[in-house]
This record gives sequence, structure tokens and C-alpha cells, in this order.
Amino acid sequence: SAVISQKPSRDICQRGTSLTIQCQVDSQVTMMFWYRQQPGQSLTLIATANQGSEATYESGFVIDKFPISRPNLTFSTLTVSNMSPEDSSIYLCSVEDGPDRLYGYTFGSGTRLTVV
Amino acid sequence: GQQLNQSPQSMFIQEGEDVSMNCTSSSIFNTWLWYKQEPGEGPVLLIALYKAGELTSNGRLTAQFGITRKDSFLNISASIPSDVGIYFCAAGGTSYGKLTFGQGTILTVHP
Repeated sequence: SAVISQKPSRDICQRGTSLTIQCQVDSQVTMMFWYRQQPGQSLTLIATANQGSEATYESGFVIDKFPISRPNLTFSTLTVSNMSPEDSSIYLCSVEDGPDRLYGYTFGSGTRLTVV
Repeated sequence: GQQLNQSPQSMFIQEGEDVSMNCTSSSIFNTWLWYKQEPGEGPVLLIALYKAGELTSNGRLTAQFGITRKDSFLNISASIPSDVGIYFCAAGGTSYGKLTFGQGTILTVHP
């Protein structure tokens, strides 16, 4: 199955600043997904990133707050902009794995963000 | 929006016991997935189900895709201490990659 590297693994940031999270996959994938996991909660999809097109955002998430880049088929970034303590969460990227999603969806190990 | 109701929220069991957890929804899904998450890690896929009625095993784990396509269960047999973690069900519809997650079941196994 695909191997995903996510950086940074954790960070503590000042409110009002921005953090860019990187997601690198060891194989070419069409679609990459960004999720948020708030403390003690489940995962919520933020957006879907396809190479060569604008990311598609889920309800409640906007591009100004969570800009996404997808420059090629193995890499994507998510920026958390103008952060507030409410943005403290684990952010995870995910990819479809295998032909016809044979291996489901694989997740990176996540970026644990704390905003102070 | 679509929601998954996962139960139980938590379980405290003795090593060697069997475990059962399930997810239900009012919506129909095409894919059901079960993940395990350990502290500091992302979710790791345990079992993926793609057909209604499908029953799949992975070692001591067994999961089924409900015939109505609105539910799924996961069983763990003969639990061991390393089974400790949070188990999430996830379901997908026609939109690729748009997974809806359950709230998770926290499993604690006492040696």
C-alpha cells in the first residue's frame, strides 16, 4: 500500500500566524484528501485536492482559511491561515490506495497542531 | 449531512475476550471501512468492504457490510493487549474519497 510522509509531525504556533503542512506520497495518486481531527473527536474531511485543478472544499471549510496546493501527483500542502486556538487539531492527509481503491484509503500519521 | 452512529463509545475488556462494535446510518453507502488509531498516529486500515453482505476476515478481525448498505460491524476475537486503541468505522458513497467517519470506539484491554 501507499506510504505517506507528513511534515511537520507536530507544531506549536502563535495565534494569527499560518502553518503549511506537507504531504508526500511514494506513488502517483489522482486524488489527495485533507482531514481534520479535533481533540477527542472523529475525522472530518476538509477538502479534496486533484492535481491541476482547484481543491474542492466541504461545507464549513473555505479556501481563504485552508488554502491547498497540489503541484504534482505525489505532493500536496495544506495551509492553516490566521490561526486561532480553535484550529488546534490533528490534520491528516489521505489517498486512495491501490487500483479501484483496493486497499481503501491510506492516511498519513498526521500533524498535531497546537495554537497558543 | 450523512452521519454514522458508532457504538459502543468505549469498551473495557479482559484479555482473551471477544469484542463487537458496529456502525449504523440512515444513508446508504457503497463502501465500509474499519480503521484503528493509536496515539500519535494516523488511522490504519483494518478491513475494507465493497459489497453489500460481504463478510471479510483479517486474522482475528471479522467485519461485515450490512445487506441494507446502512450498517457494518467489526468483531475482534481473543483480544490481546496490543488491540488497545480507537476503532473508527468509515463509509463512502459515490463521491470518491469523501469518507464519513463514526465517532470511534475506545478499546481498553486489561491483561
